[in-house]
Amino acid sequence: AQKVTQAQTEISVVEKEDVTLDCVYETRDTTYYLFWYKQPPSGELVFLIRRNSFDEQNEISGRYSWNFQKSTSSFNFTITASQVVDSAVYFCALSDVRKIQGAQKLVFGQGTRLTINP
Amino acid sequence: DAGVTQSPTHLIKTRGQQVTLRCSPKSGHDTVSWYQQALGQGPQFIFQYYEEEERQRGNFPDRFSGHQFPNYSSELNVNALLLGDSALYLCASRRLAGVDTQYFGPGTRLTVL
Repeated sequence: AQKVTQAQTEISVVEKEDVTLDCVYETRDTTYYLFWYKQPPSGELVFLIRRNSFDEQNEISGRYSWNFQKSTSSFNFTITASQVVDSAVYFCALSDVRKIQGAQKLVFGQGTRLTINP
Repeated sequence: DAGVTQSPTHLIKTRGQQVTLRCSPKSGHDTVSWYQQALGQGPQFIFQYYEEEERQRGNFPDRFSGHQFPNYSSELNVNALLLGDSALYLCASRRLAGVDTQYFGPGTRLTVL
């Protein structure tokens, strides 16, 4: 069975600090996808990144960066120079590569509530 | 380019009643998934529809049923509501032939009293 663990329930930092959100996953599949979503107070899940299991290159997008390490089954997310607008709940998710046409189930972690204080 | 839309935004029902939630996928998308998110938890997969058929289902009882229409929009029906059904219900869509990323709507907040 697939499982995603986000051990950090809540994180609170002061603006401009760097912060890393941890994600550890379990799967028996050899190919899979990993995702990060952001959920602001409005409730809508906002897609941030998708990573294929065969692509272990780290990625940087502005102040956001992602570190994927297959050896430790981790897909961590770092925000550099955090801003108040980054405050939200962040979810890590895992899905298999479609085996059944039309099917793609996302398995989410419990989420990390990030608060950036001014 | 319209994103995923859901209606209604909020809903209050009493135990035993039935409810129908609606979702319109993002333009160009043909696959719709439904998730239940209890307070303080991550979303849980309910089921997914493609070509008007249920393609995959999570661990939810038969009280949860759905439908997809020819225009790709979808409904989630929940019968015999329980207090534990109170949650945010999220709809997500993607294009089968496209990248494997689901895009979510704003959700429907269901409260069962």
